[in-house]
Amino acid sequence: EAGVTQFPSHSVIEKGQTVTLRCDPISGHDNLYWYRRVMGKEIKFLLHFVKESKQDESGMPNNRFLAERTGGTYSTLKVQPAELEDSGVYFCASSPHRPTRGEQYFGPGTRLTVT
Amino acid sequence: SQQGEEDPQALSIQEGENATMNCSYKTSINNLQWYRQNSGRGLVHLILIRSNEREKHSGRLRVTLDTSKKSSSLLITASRAADTASYFCATDASGAGSYQLTFGKGTKLSVIP
Repeated sequence: EAGVTQFPSHSVIEKGQTVTLRCDPISGHDNLYWYRRVMGKEIKFLLHFVKESKQDESGMPNNRFLAERTGGTYSTLKVQPAELEDSGVYFCASSPHRPTRGEQYFGPGTRLTVT
Repeated sequence: SQQGEEDPQALSIQEGENATMNCSYKTSINNLQWYRQNSGRGLVHLILIRSNEREKHSGRLRVTLDTSKKSSSLLITASRAADTASYFCATDASGAGSYQLTFGKGTKLSVIP
C-alpha cells in the first residue's frame, strides 16, 4: 500500500511569489491533515479535512493560506503571497474514517524556503 | 511551556544502552502518541497510549502515561545506531469533531555505534 506522498519535496521561492503544495493521502483515507514546522519550533496543526469538507481550520495562520481538497482525494495548500516567516517543512497526514482517534500517517513533508 | 514538551532536548548514548525520553502536557487528552523522524524523512508513528492506559509495550519500546502528572515517558531498550532520530510526543486533546495533534519540540537521540 502506498503511503502519503507530497510534492514537491523542496521548493525555493522569493517573497511575494505563490507556491502550491500537494498531498496525496493513502487511498481510502477520509481524513487529511496539514501541519507545518517552522525553524526551531514545534510541529503545528494547520487544518483537517474530512473528505472534501474542512472539519477544523483553526490552525491556519492567516488568509494567505488556502487549502482545498476537491473530490475528497488529494489536497493542495497554496500560499499567496509567500512571506519569509512561511519557510519551514509542511507535512500532510491522513487517517481512515473513524480511526478511533488514533494514528495519523504522515508524508515526508515539503521543505519550503522563502527568500 | 508548550503542550507536549519533551525532555531532554538532545540525548547521546552508546549502542546497547537504554534511552528514556519524557513528555509533559497541559490539558486533558484522549490519547498520547510518540512519533520518530529520521533526518529528512516524514514522521513515523511508534506507539499510541490512551488516556485510560498506564503502560504499553511494542517491541523494544515501552511507554508510560501518568495523567495525574500529565506526563509520559518513552523508553527504548537495547538501543541501536538505527534508532538515531528525533522523537516527538503528540497529544490528541481535541473535541469530538477534530483530530488535531499537538506536538512537542522533540528529543534528538544519537546512538553511537
